[in-house]
Formats: sequence, C-alpha cells, structure tokens
Amino acid sequence: GAGVSQSPSNKVTEKGKDVELRCDPISGHTALYWYRQSLGQGLEFLIYFQGNSAPDKSGLPSDRFSAERTGGSVSTLTIQRTQQEDSAVYLCASRVHQMNTEAFFGQGTRLTVV
Amino acid sequence: GENVEQHPSTLSVQEGDSAVIKCTYSDSASNYFPWYKQELGKGPQLIIDIRSNVGEKKDQRIAVTLNKTAKHFSLHITETQPEDSAVYFCAAPREDAGNMLTFGGGTRLMVKP
Repeated sequence: GAGVSQSPSNKVTEKGKDVELRCDPISGHTALYWYRQSLGQGLEFLIYFQGNSAPDKSGLPSDRFSAERTGGSVSTLTIQRTQQEDSAVYLCASRVHQMNTEAFFGQGTRLTVV
Repeated sequence: GENVEQHPSTLSVQEGDSAVIKCTYSDSASNYFPWYKQELGKGPQLIIDIRSNVGEKKDQRIAVTLNKTAKHFSLHITETQPEDSAVYFCAAPREDAGNMLTFGGGTRLMVKP
C-alpha cells in the first residue's frame, strides 16, 4: 500500500477481554514503532522493531501488553485482560530504517474499554 | 534517554498572525528534530525537520530554528490560515534506542478566522 495501514479503526471491547491491533507498514520499511495516545495527550512509546533484531519493549506499560512482527512486515499489538485505562488511540509508524528519516504514521486504532 | 518538553500546550491566534511553538530536549547527542502535525482523527504527519548541521530551515510559511548550545528548537508558522488549526508535536531521537522518536506533549493551535 501507499501508506501505513492500521486495523481496526475503532474497537470497543469489554473490560477483561483480549484485543489484537494490526499494523501494515510501508513495504520495505524495516523499522516499526507502536505508540499510545491518550485523549488530548502526547505520544507514549510502547515498542520498537528493527529488522530481525530483538524488539525494544522498554515502553510497554505492563505484562498484559505484547507485540510481534512476523516476517519483518505486519505487526500485531495484543492487550490481554483489557482495563479501562487502556482506552486510547494506538498509533503505528514505520521508517525505511532506524536512521533519522521520516517516520510515517497510520491513522491509528481507537480502543475503548467499557 | 531523551526528554522533550513543548510549550505552549494551547495557542490561539488570529488568521494572518504568526505562531511560534518551542521545544527543549535533553540529549546533547541528538541531531535530528522533526515537527509533526496531527489533524483530528488522523495520525501525525511530518511537516518539516531539521538536522544539527543547520540552524534554520524554511518551507513556504513554516520554518524551524535550532539552537544546539541551548538545546532548543522552535516551529514558526507565518500568515496562519484556519487550515493550520491542528495539534503540533516536536520530537527528538533516542540514540540509545535505535533513534526512536521521543515526542513533546503537543500544542493545540487554533487559528480564528
């Protein structure tokens, strides 16, 4: 595709359920990032993938959060046993590589935990 | 790590006036400073960036200035238009984390017609 694609655009889930958020980066981009944006707030780093290297998970807020990137392309962010404080917009971004180049963002997934 | 602070958090200007948003960063090794614009319901989009080998960069109505000694950089928008209304984020890379971008808290710019 022409840009970073995220799905679903919106997700409403009940407290305690698991959710999976998907990110399709721009083809050929080796670096992929997940950020979380709470209402009216800035971007909070969650996790970072670069090629086949082990991901940097230093931003994950709890062990209920995990992410994987299969085949160096599509990434899935999983939140287990969702809590109301997990409600936010989850943004994915990709870059050609980890050097200082433009990071392209998807439109985000708005997660609402009720 | 990198700490980025951004001011003001909200800015209201009259159409045609200028707007200035300022950011400071903590890691003196940082050498790349992008600015992103986020419109409602969309992901952030790069509008301009500057590297540490220059002090100023301009692209039509927007410009960015960098002061490496003071570790701050600013976004300047001249002749503001209603379509400039959005949230703007500055960012700086964390060299200890693959140049992952650390973002400022954002500035909500409102341009009144």
